[in-house]
Formats: sequence, structure tokens, C-alpha cells
Amino acid sequence: DVKVTQSSRYLVKRTGEKVFLECVQDMDHENMFWYRQDPGLGLRLIYFSYDVKMKEKGDIPEGYSVSREKKERFSLILESASTNQTSMYLCAATRQLYQPQHFGDGTRLSIL
Amino acid sequence: QKEVEQNSGPLSVPEGAIASLNCTYSDRGSQSFFWYRQYSGKSPELIMSIYSNGDKEDGRFTAQLNKASQYVSLLIRDSQPSDSATYLCAVEGSSNTGKLIFGQGTTLQVKP
Repeated sequence: DVKVTQSSRYLVKRTGEKVFLECVQDMDHENMFWYRQDPGLGLRLIYFSYDVKMKEKGDIPEGYSVSREKKERFSLILESASTNQTSMYLCAATRQLYQPQHFGDGTRLSIL
Repeated sequence: QKEVEQNSGPLSVPEGAIASLNCTYSDRGSQSFFWYRQYSGKSPELIMSIYSNGDKEDGRFTAQLNKASQYVSLLIRDSQPSDSATYLCAVEGSSNTGKLIFGQGTTLQVKP
């Protein structure tokens, strides 16, 4: 089975901090995704990546950046955290197009 | 904007009944369709994938796809209280990016 691991289940940070969320997958999957999920707004795509050092903007990239230096690791960076970035963050991976995405356990991030 | 529509519910069914969850999508070129189950506070878990018109059965779950009507559904037979969750419909569109478009989800309540 696919294993997608997110580094933290819960995280509390302060406004203005630079925040790193890490995601690692163990199945040599090409494609990785970062979402945030908020009540009433559903899952929204922030960024995704097809390969090492490649990245594409999703629907809500503002205030975020990503890094993919190795195939198995995809990091989401909040450059200067703000309270409106308090959310559940979900990482997903898929081997190729038209295959299902598999999610990590999620990181519930609170910005105070 | 490509969309995926679900009735938010809650859909309430008695234990042992059939639960029917529905989803419509706007992108006629969509190729892949997925159902995810999400328990409160947890990440989405894949339960069904379907790619061709017709029915696909897996245990108590049956996914139905009708591309002409742009409609996909999930039937849960012999519903159990443990099936109580939010069910997300996800569609991979025709853009060949691997991106999924998620519906807002339908909350299912199975009453003992």
C-alpha cells in the first residue's frame, strides 16, 4: 500500500513565522499535491509537482511556496504565516495520471 | 470553472438500508472518477475508482458511472453506523494534469 507521511499532525505557530510542512511518500510516485481543507470550502489545491524540481500553481498559491528536491519529498512553505492560513493541510501522491491520489494523515495548523 | 456537485446532506439512513450518494460533474472530457470517505478530523481515504460506464462493485460498495449524463454515484448496501462519514466525489478532468476536482462532500449518518 501507498504510504504518505506528513511530518506533524498538529502544529501551532505565530504570525509572521516561516512555516515548513513536510510530506514524504514511499512508492516512487511521480505526482505530489498540497491541499488545504476548510469547513464549507472543501479541498482546495495549493501547489502540485510532477517531478523533482518541478512545481505548478494550484487554485490558491498566494502566500505559499513549495520545494521538491527529491522525488519522495514535497515541502509546503508558508513564507510569512498569517491567521487566515489556519487550516487542515493535506498532502497527496499519485503514481501517474488517471490514478487515484493517496493522502497523508494531514497537519492541523494553527496560526496565532 | 470545472465543477463537481454533491448534495451536502446530511443523508440519514437506518442501519441495514442502502445509502445512495450522487455526484454530477461539468467537464464532459473527464476520464477518472473516485469516491473518498472522510471521517471527522481525518484525511480522505479512497474507497472506489471507476473509469468506464456502468457499475463497479467492491464488497458492500457499488460505484455507477454514466458519462452521457455526467453522473457518478455510490451505493452502500447494508449500511452500518461505521459508514457514517463525509463522502467526497473526485473527478480528474480532461486537462491531463493529474489534478482532481473535489465535490464539497455528502455527510452520511447511519442510525442504529
